[in-house]
Parts: sequence; structure tokens; C-alpha cells
Amino acid sequence: EAGVTQFPSHSVIEKGQTVTLRCDPISGHDNLYWYRRVMGKEIKFLLHFVKESKQDESGMPNNRFLAERTGGTYSTLKVQPAELEDSGVYFCASSQKPDRAPNEKLFFGSGTQLSVL
Amino acid sequence: GDSVTQMEGPVTLSEEAFLTINCTYTATGYPSLFWYVQYPGEGLQLLLKATKADDKGSNKGFEATYRKETTSFHLEKGSVQVSDSAVYFCALSDWPGGKLIFGQGTELSVKP
Repeated sequence: EAGVTQFPSHSVIEKGQTVTLRCDPISGHDNLYWYRRVMGKEIKFLLHFVKESKQDESGMPNNRFLAERTGGTYSTLKVQPAELEDSGVYFCASSQKPDRAPNEKLFFGSGTQLSVL
Repeated sequence: GDSVTQMEGPVTLSEEAFLTINCTYTATGYPSLFWYVQYPGEGLQLLLKATKADDKGSNKGFEATYRKETTSFHLEKGSVQVSDSAVYFCALSDWPGGKLIFGQGTELSVKP
């Protein structure tokens, strides 16, 4: 079974440019999450999709960030325009169902390292 | 709101030393607790979890016990190896497949 796939693995852009990160969750997983780790600090929640709907976007830092999940499959996270403080590692994770089952598992991708110069 | 505080690093140990990484949490309900690990160049992997008070999670020689009375979930290993060098994250969630709240991560370096 394929895992959660993210690309690119690394992106180096200049301040003011636009970058789009992509996440392909495990097939059949309804839940998709975006997280970010900035400057070696804690990993912070950005937002949560259930299928194509945004369930919780309370962690999105500002309106320069736009996440989409058209068709409820893969998701993109666009940063426009990028600022220096957006540098960090962006993780995507997915899980199967919205049910609060005790054996439910969350699977993470390898992350995208974003460097804004 | 809910939060997780874990021991700051970096932690440097010699091979076969005993490891403890402290983790405490604040939560209004009864969360599930997790330890995730990120090895160099790789993504986050679930190391172990506990879903209710007094549960002990274990994996690869690591253990952590969900202590409700002290709101703690300390990670321990009796004898670390060089291959355990990684960043360890304590986290909580309302349910195992849901949104996670992480601690700041503890970098562990094990020297031969």
C-alpha cells in the first residue's frame, strides 16, 4: 500500500514568489491534515479536510495560505506571496474515517522543506 | 486550550545508556497520547501510543505510560543505540486519527 506522498521534497524560492505544495493521501482516506514545523519549533496544525470540505482551518496563519482538496483526493497548499517566516517543513497526514475509533491511525508524509530566501 | 510540553534538547547519550524524555500535557478531556519520531531525512513515524489512563504504549524497546494523575507521558528506553538518534515528538489528540497537538520536539543524539 502506498503511503502519504508529498512533493516537492524541497523547494527554495525567493520572498514574494508563489509556491504550491502537494499532498497525495493514502487512497480511501477521508481525513487529510496539514502541519508545519518552523525553525525547529513544535509542529503546528494548519488545517483539516474531511473529503473535500475544510473541517477546521483554525491553524492557517494568514490569508497568504490557501489549501484546496478538489474531489476529495489530493490536496494543495499554496503560499502567495511567500515571506521569510514561511520557511519550514510542511507535513501532510491522512487517516481513514472521521469516526473516533480507538484503533484509527494517522499516517504522515515525509514533508516538504520550504526555504524562502 | 490543550497543550504539550516536552523536555528540551538536544540530548546526547552514549550507546547503551538509559533514556528518559519528559512530556506533560494539558487537556480538558481525555486525550489519546502519542510519541512520534523523525529519523534524519525521513518523515514522522508513530512510535507508540496510549488511548486511556494507565495504558502503556511500547515499541522497539521504547515505553511510555499514560499517567492521568500527573498528566504525563514520559518516554523511556533502557538501552539506546546509535540508530535511535532522531527527533522525538510528544503529542495528544482527541482521538487517534484526529488533529494532533505536538510538543516542541527533543533531538536525541546517541554516540558509540
